[in-house]
Amino acid sequence: DIQMTQSPSSLSASVGDRVTITCRAGQGISKFLAWYQQKPGKVPNLLIYATSTLQSGVPSRFSGSGSGTDFTLTISSLQPEDVATYYCQKYNSAPLTFGGGTKVEIK
Amino acid sequence: EVQLVESGGGLVKPGGSLRLSCAASGFTFNNAWMNWVRQAAGKGLEWIGRIRSKIDGGATDYAEFVKGRFTISRDDSINTLFLQLNILETDDTAVYYCTTRGGGTYYGIGDYFDYWGQGTLVTVSS
Repeated sequence: DIQMTQSPSSLSASVGDRVTITCRAGQGISKFLAWYQQKPGKVPNLLIYATSTLQSGVPSRFSGSGSGTDFTLTISSLQPEDVATYYCQKYNSAPLTFGGGTKVEIK
Repeated sequence: EVQLVESGGGLVKPGGSLRLSCAASGFTFNNAWMNWVRQAAGKGLEWIGRIRSKIDGGATDYAEFVKGRFTISRDDSINTLFLQLNILETDDTAVYYCTTRGGGTYYGIGDYFDYWGQGTLVTVSS
């Protein structure tokens, strides 16, 4: 099975900072990578699919990039409401593995 | 409005069984591939498995840790997804979510998760 490795596992940044989270797949997964945001006590919410396509309603400060094995989620200007844990997920084929998560906090 | 409502969670002893349900509405259920994901307290998301739509063959896929203990099924006549949990272990204690992309073309597009239920808690303890 292909493993999904996220880094860092947690980060603390100031409001307005640019934040980058990386996700590495153990093998190439083409563009089949999604990102989810899970705020404390809430259900996960789809942010990005197909590596870089923003789900409807997601603020434009979120963006995704990458291909093959290396992917990135970027928050261009961190806002207080972005405090959450972020997960990547491969979905090219089963198993649809999630990364371990990155917890984002405000400094 | 898409709704996914899980039920059937509760307290069960190790070695016991439980059947979870997910009632779906607001989309064409029989066209949708349906998934189960779980999350232990303070831990990450863990994909359990999925069932394809009948029109796409109706096959199931499972995570390796399932090891034949869990079975996913669906009843399109009542728009409901099921997860049969057998030989439960303490490590299976988690919130169980049903989730779906909600339909459309899956081949070439993929199976990411637009919609999530609120989850149902399964506690395995003696």
